Amino acid sequence: GDSVTQMEGPVTLSEEAFLTINCTYTATGYPSLFWYVQYPGEGLQLLLKATKADDKGSNKGFEATYRKETTSFHLEKGSVQVSDSAVYFCALKSRSNYQLIWGAGTKLIIKP
Amino acid sequence: NAGVTQTPKFQVLKTGQSMTLQCAQDMNHEYMSWYRQDPGMGLRLIHYSVGAGITDQGEVPNGYNVSRSTTEDFPLRLLSAAPSQTSVYFCASSPPPGLNQPQHFGDGTRLSIL
Repeated sequence: GDSVTQMEGPVTLSEEAFLTINCTYTATGYPSLFWYVQYPGEGLQLLLKATKADDKGSNKGFEATYRKETTSFHLEKGSVQVSDSAVYFCALKSRSNYQLIWGAGTKLIIKP
Repeated sequence: NAGVTQTPKFQVLKTGQSMTLQCAQDMNHEYMSWYRQDPGMGLRLIHYSVGAGITDQGEVPNGYNVSRSTTEDFPLRLLSAAPSQTSVYFCASSPPPGLNQPQHFGDGTRLSIL
């Protein structure tokens, strides 16, 4: 069945460092891909999305490109801030039943 | 601009007790779902509903019941709480399921079963 694999955390970086959180997927057909962010004590919020191959989603300085050839949707940011500390979830929405399939989440810790 | 509202935010139960987690949304979304979040496991779908009067099971439905009598409300019931149900529960809603529709989440209910 469909699945999403994220790099394990926690990922600890210094402020202004470059961030990459890896996400790969297995799916039948061409799903839509999402990144959600969960700040401490809060629910999940949509960060960005991409709905077809080569689409780039972007928001708040974060970017991710839908790579069909490598079945990946890696999250990147050029210069992270302490306020980016959160848990990041990669997810896909299957064309077969529109259910969201979730990765396990990656905790990001940014130190000043 | 309430969005998705979950109550309570925290709850402690004894094994065998029952309770209902409330979820309400004011966006007229047809699709609603309940997830549980456990460390290292991401979110797992418990039950979902594609409209009033229609519910279906997700990945981990055992021990939970749901109903959808109105578009706005989607309560989750634990009939006889077990320690394995200790988790953080999230309710989410979205417009009719489509590939491009993101889900809107509540702030979660942290539930501990002793």
